[in-house]
Amino acid sequence: NAGVTQTPKFQVLKTGQSMTLQCAQDMNHEYMSWYRQDPGMGLRLIHYSVGAGITDQGEVPNGYNVSRSTTEDFPLRLLSAAPSQTSVYFCASSYSWPSHSYNEQFFGPGTRLTVL
Amino acid sequence: GQQLNQSPQSMFIQEGEDVSMNCTSSSIFNTWLWYKQDPGEGPVLLIALYKAGELTSNGRLTAQFGITRKDSFLNISASIPSDVGIYFCAGPGTSYGKLTFGQGTILTVHP
Repeated sequence: NAGVTQTPKFQVLKTGQSMTLQCAQDMNHEYMSWYRQDPGMGLRLIHYSVGAGITDQGEVPNGYNVSRSTTEDFPLRLLSAAPSQTSVYFCASSYSWPSHSYNEQFFGPGTRLTVL
Repeated sequence: GQQLNQSPQSMFIQEGEDVSMNCTSSSIFNTWLWYKQDPGEGPVLLIALYKAGELTSNGRLTAQFGITRKDSFLNISASIPSDVGIYFCAGPGTSYGKLTFGQGTILTVHP
């Protein structure tokens, strides 16, 4: 299994540009999520999905869109990039409740985004 | 909202020393998770705790679920250079599947 994969690994954007960060998992996990990591802030949840066709907002959703058309994929879209969105973005997945391990999330390697 | 406070924020130790770090919550958790993040990589789950008072080991790592259910501890024995990284505690957030993370403890090990 490849686990959770993310592309691209690095990206530089200009203010106002749009782009999509890709995330895929091959573990048949129902739950997927996006986090951003900033120095001293830990990991903050952007959006999450409990299954195909179902998404919801996390703590910092503004400026980001998501969709979940398949179990495997969960792309994150930046509609109009801003310098405040410079960060490292992580995708994660896990089994769903009532699995005993539904809180145990597996993380991808991250995408390092710089917005100029 | 829920908050997790980790301490210390950073540690500088000599190879071979033992390490202790802890995490406290403003509310009761029914699960505690400990992750490690290597430089340039995503977090990797080290230990999951599901029961108050539970003590679980993973090699040189030992974690405990506090009796009050508001804290957890991680110990690393006989540290080695590859222990370098950021250690995060995490617990279930306010909604299904959402995790709340601590700010992380940065560990540096000098050979």
